[in-house]
Amino acid sequence: GAGVSQSPRYKVAKRGQDVALRCDPISGHVSLFWYQQALGQGPEFLTYFQNEAQLDKSGLPSDRFFAERPEGSVSTLKIQRTQQEDSAVYLCASSLVRDGNQPQHFGDGTRLSIL
Amino acid sequence: GQQVMQIPQYQHVQEGEDFTTYCNSSTTLSNIQWYKQRPGGHPVFLIQLVKSGEVKKQKRLTFQFGEAKKNSSLHITATQTTDVGTYFCAGRGGYNFNKFYFGSGTKLNVKP
Repeated sequence: GAGVSQSPRYKVAKRGQDVALRCDPISGHVSLFWYQQALGQGPEFLTYFQNEAQLDKSGLPSDRFFAERPEGSVSTLKIQRTQQEDSAVYLCASSLVRDGNQPQHFGDGTRLSIL
Repeated sequence: GQQVMQIPQYQHVQEGEDFTTYCNSSTTLSNIQWYKQRPGGHPVFLIQLVKSGEVKKQKRLTFQFGEAKKNSSLHITATQTTDVGTYFCAGRGGYNFNKFYFGSGTKLNVKP
């Protein structure tokens, strides 16, 4: 079946530009997570949605980062006025229910490079 | 704040040797998940541990959750080249949260 789909796979932007990263979770999955993965590191939590509600955004590094999931399915992570330290792989994951005891299914990620 | 530390960072083994990676949390975890990430790929779920002292096996892989639910280990017996990748643990801090803290991963290389 279809897994988690992320687009674009690669994004190059100049410092100061805005970017938008898209995540299509597995159909019917209630929970959606965004992570940032730096080279050689583990995924770092950014934010969590339960359906359309953003229940935890404590991992967003600054107010330049914004995420939404308006209809409880597709989610977008937006980064405004990008900086070089934003360069990383951004991973999206979804899980079936909300209880935190379900496997997370990851997409292939978006590799963001800020020049 | 909460952290999950994972060691070693790298492990190079000869095919057929055993491999172990360890995770330690600064606080008690409600559950811990293990993931494998192949080079160029995304993390893939392996298993979840929930109970204190729990041990689960998947063929050559053995997963343990400590009695205090602060540490966990993954042991691979008789490694194969297909085991190559980075293994991550991810701990959840509380029963009302969906925030997982990933370790930094152990990169396993297996020489044939």
